[in-house]
Amino acid sequence: GAVVSQHPSWVICKSGTSVKIECRSLDFQATTMFWYRQFPKQSLMLMATSNEGSKATYEQGVEKDKFLINHASLTLSTLTVTSAHPEDSSFYICSAREFRLRGPADTQYFGPGTRLTVL
Amino acid sequence: QQQVKQSPQSLIVQKGGISIINCAYENTAFDYFPWYQQFPGKGPALLIAIRPDVSEKKEGRFTISFNKSAKQFSLHIMDSQPGDSATYFCAASRNGATNKLIFGTGTLLAVQP
Repeated sequence: GAVVSQHPSWVICKSGTSVKIECRSLDFQATTMFWYRQFPKQSLMLMATSNEGSKATYEQGVEKDKFLINHASLTLSTLTVTSAHPEDSSFYICSAREFRLRGPADTQYFGPGTRLTVL
Repeated sequence: QQQVKQSPQSLIVQKGGISIINCAYENTAFDYFPWYQQFPGKGPALLIAIRPDVSEKKEGRFTISFNKSAKQFSLHIMDSQPGDSATYFCAASRNGATNKLIFGTGTLLAVQP
């Protein structure tokens, strides 16, 4: 099956620092990756859609300058939380959609998530 | 119109019983309906998915029932086991370039031994 990895799995940082989270599709090419945020006991909230080689599309209410997304290759997307503050503490999850010749697949495969704690 | 409503919020089932989780949607353009299973501290894992051209899909102990006219779909877990205890999310998306998944609010399932 398709595997998506995330690194790091958890990170603790001081307020005001920036944190980069990597999302990789290990055994397939992903033209589209998605970044989600999940608070305890809540559903997944889509933050942005990332397409390889183009700018990310952010959901309403998500600050583009705070959550920088780069999708430099068909297997890697990164999310950088800039000038992190305690309210940015959350569980960040990426997903990837496999590229197919006849068009993008519907199935999204999720990474294991990254727990960010900002002190 | 983009919402997917999920119920119940939580569910307790005895081992060996049937767990049933329901979802409803409004956007008739949705054409892909997956169910995800999530354990604490982990990412969601695809469990089973269905498209509107079939009314039922079964994979092992997991079955999706789909009612297109009612715009509802449900997950049935047969012979529920304690290892099935997790949070389950239904979702929906429409075919297209963005293909965003719209998630339900989740159901916390506890299977008691």
